[in-house]
Amino acid sequence: KAGVTQTPRYLIKTRGQQVTLSCSPISGHRSVSWYQQTPGQGLQFLFEYFSETQRNKGNFPGRFSGRQFSNSRSEMNVSTLELGDSALYLCASSLYGTANSPLHFGNGTRLTVT
Amino acid sequence: AQRVTQPEKLLSVFKGAPVELKCNYSYSGSPELFWYVQYSRQRLQLLLRHISRESIKGFTADLNKGETSFHLKKPFAQEEDSAMYYCALSGQYGGATNKLIFGTGTLLAVQP
Repeated sequence: KAGVTQTPRYLIKTRGQQVTLSCSPISGHRSVSWYQQTPGQGLQFLFEYFSETQRNKGNFPGRFSGRQFSNSRSEMNVSTLELGDSALYLCASSLYGTANSPLHFGNGTRLTVT
Repeated sequence: AQRVTQPEKLLSVFKGAPVELKCNYSYSGSPELFWYVQYSRQRLQLLLRHISRESIKGFTADLNKGETSFHLKKPFAQEEDSAMYYCALSGQYGGATNKLIFGTGTLLAVQP
């Protein structure tokens, strides 16, 4: 099976702009979650979707949003970009979406805000 | 509050030496615990989970509820073990959530 695919791999945006990141989970996986990885804060949970419903949301401002489509593909959007939003954004999918289900990660989208 | 602590940012050992990567957690209940690994230029991937009680690539991890620890061990390190290791905590066993709380990671460097 193909792994988790994230597009684009790299993005450069300017402060104040908005950005949309895309994630295609492993076929058959219904749970998709997003993480932000930075050198200072490490890996931080953004949100989790299961069958098009947001089940959990991390401690991020409302500028960060996401959605999941009926084919389980997911997008996350960041509006009014700030310099501090520069990070690697990781998407992960799991088959059952339960606490003991391992996550399968994509390679990430590296966002640079100038 | 749920928290995962990995006290060492860097652990450097020689090939053939034993390895222990420390992980302590804070959680009220019976959590699911995982070790994820990221090799150079590769994606983050699952190494092992406590529920499976398995040994992967010679690594084992035992959940100690009394000490709230989930240390990762390997008796003889190999150079190919060099990577970033993350301890992670999920919700209550059997819970309907995939949210992971990660530790800050430990970089393991195995010297020849």
